Amino acid sequence: QVKLLQSGAALVKPGASVKMSCKASGYTFTDYWVSWVKQSHGKSLEWIGEIYPNSGATNFNEKFKGKATLTVDKSTSTAYMELSRLTSEDSAIYYCTRISYWGQGVMVTVSS
Amino acid sequence: DVVMTQTPVSLSVSLGGQVSISCRSSQSLVHNNGNTYLSWYLQKPGQSPQLLIYKVSNRFSGISDRFSGSGSGTDFTLKISRVEPDDLGVYYCGQGTQYPLTFGSGTKLEIK
Repeated sequence: QVKLLQSGAALVKPGASVKMSCKASGYTFTDYWVSWVKQSHGKSLEWIGEIYPNSGATNFNEKFKGKATLTVDKSTSTAYMELSRLTSEDSAIYYCTRISYWGQGVMVTVSS
Repeated sequence: DVVMTQTPVSLSVSLGGQVSISCRSSQSLVHNNGNTYLSWYLQKPGQSPQLLIYKVSNRFSGISDRFSGSGSGTDFTLKISRVEPDDLGVYYCGQGTQYPLTFGSGTKLEIK
């Protein structure tokens, strides 16, 4: 069955960066776009962007350009998202998703 | 960006009852290819969102026929019949017709 297994929670200092992973299994990784979605505490869902593992092509929400970098490692069927120059506004749960399937989420806390 | 407006914000229903959730988009969700990329998700407490309905009215794999989606253009509805305890959570509509993908603010379903 399709699974998206995300890395663990992260506590990071303001101004730092964080990189999280999303390991896919149960399907051909290179055939489907992988999206990343942000959910701030108690709030709705914000689409950050997506990557097509086969080519590395990306599409971004303008709001997250310069904030998020999306990459993949086809050899391990893993997608990555790096968030840079973190502030308290970046504290949230981040999901990787094929839209039809979702990872369990990564809680990122930005605090000194 | 396409703004997705969901109503009501919350609703309470008795077990076995029926509810409807409305979702309106600020622009038509009919894609150039003729498809309408409107989906419904349920986020149960403490869990990731899960896909219920895609392309307005198609139930995702394993989703009960108690869930049905309808609508067109900018006006969409999710109906849940014979409500069960496991249906509680927050329901989101989302559009994938136009970048960036956007989601509604959610409707919280409580069981009386």
